[in-house]
Amino acid sequence: QVQLQESGPGLVKPSQTLSLTCTVSDGSISSGGYHWSWIRQAAGKGLEWIGCIPTSGYTNRNPSLKSRVDISVDTLKNQFSLRLTSVTAADTAVYYCAAYREGGGGVGSWGQGTLVTVSS
Amino acid sequence: DIQMTQSPSTLSASVGDGVTITCRASQSVGGWLAWYQQKPGKVPKVLIYKASNLEGGVPSRFSGVGYGTEFTLTISSLQPDDFASYYCQHYMDDSPWTFGQGTRVEMK
Repeated sequence: QVQLQESGPGLVKPSQTLSLTCTVSDGSISSGGYHWSWIRQAAGKGLEWIGCIPTSGYTNRNPSLKSRVDISVDTLKNQFSLRLTSVTAADTAVYYCAAYREGGGGVGSWGQGTLVTVSS
Repeated sequence: DIQMTQSPSTLSASVGDGVTITCRASQSVGGWLAWYQQKPGKVPKVLIYKASNLEGGVPSRFSGVGYGTEFTLTISSLQPDDFASYYCQHYMDDSPWTFGQGTRVEMK
């Protein structure tokens, strides 16, 4: 299984853009086999799927976030990224990157999660 | 978009009890459903994928059945390590993937 590690600012101001990166190790992102995904969880709440992208293909996004979400893959850096624009306090959450196994295997690998707080 | 509804939201049980959690989809997701377990402050982990396939290393007391719109996760004999929250998620192609709202299994 690949290993995943999130990185990015822990504090973002309202109306600004949240940017997170997930670094993939123990495997090449360009080899395929996974849908690279972002999931978040507000304090005391359930899991919310943000979106995913295969190594090549279209991005599948949560409709409630669709207009604000961009997910991209950088095969040279072996990373994938999340951009969420126009953030508000409601976007404060632990953000997880995750690798869904192609063929329907569910999430095979998770990052450890990173808390992003939206506050001025 | 496909909505996933879990029941119950909270389940109180004792060690040794058999428990069942239900997940209903607003339209068919085929067999494209996974179950996850999450403990407080921890990363979720997959228990079941493609509705009924047990993830490697997961105890056999966990099982999943279902197809289409109705799915269940069963723990045959609840163990102390099983008190946690459980989530279903569909991941059918050409549709946004969705989690259920979660079921918290607590000690009675």
